[in-house]
Amino acid sequence: DTGVSQDPRHKITKRGQNVTFRCDPISEHNRLYWYRQTLGQGPEFLTYFQNEAQLEKSRLLSDRFSAERPKGSFSTLEIQRTEQGDSAMYLCASSPPTGGLYEQYFGPGTRLTVT
Amino acid sequence: KNQVEQSPQSLIILEGKNCTLQCNYTVSPFSNLRWYKQDTGRGPVSLTIMTFSENTKSNGRYTATLDADTKQSSLHITASQLSDSASYICVVSAGYSTLTFGKGTMLLVSP
Repeated sequence: DTGVSQDPRHKITKRGQNVTFRCDPISEHNRLYWYRQTLGQGPEFLTYFQNEAQLEKSRLLSDRFSAERPKGSFSTLEIQRTEQGDSAMYLCASSPPTGGLYEQYFGPGTRLTVT
Repeated sequence: KNQVEQSPQSLIILEGKNCTLQCNYTVSPFSNLRWYKQDTGRGPVSLTIMTFSENTKSNGRYTATLDADTKQSSLHITASQLSDSASYICVVSAGYSTLTFGKGTMLLVSP
């Protein structure tokens, strides 16, 4: 088991460009979460998938953000027309289908810098 | 509004010393409380997770306590090591998806 992986680890983009991040959860984890973390703050919930269904979205997820998990395995998070305020660490986490505590295992994150 | 408050914001201790980090929360309904360790530039790693009925849980040199009546938790680190330098985040769960994160306590262990 290689853990949750995210790609790329770092992304620098110019304002107005689109970016896409990928998350590969731990195999057989059916729940997948996206978070955003800015410097000195704890992670903030963005969205949550159970299998391929997107079950919950935060109001932080503006219409420029879209997330997909087409086959219930990996997920992508796309940001359109990036703004400087989008600069943050984007974290992905997954949790297994069994157990009531829904322990979440985090990936290393993608650091986005919008210039 | 669900909130998790942590104190202190930052802490410097000498290697080998003990320390205690605090967490107060107002999250409802309460499901469980977690402590995560986050190294700089990395994703959080779970240390402990406690449900309503658990008062204490240990993971090596880390011991977490929970008082569900006062809605307080603490994380005690014994015999600190340089590798303990990290941000420690208290997280309270209201269910299967909703996690409320604290801002974390930045711990620096000095040689």
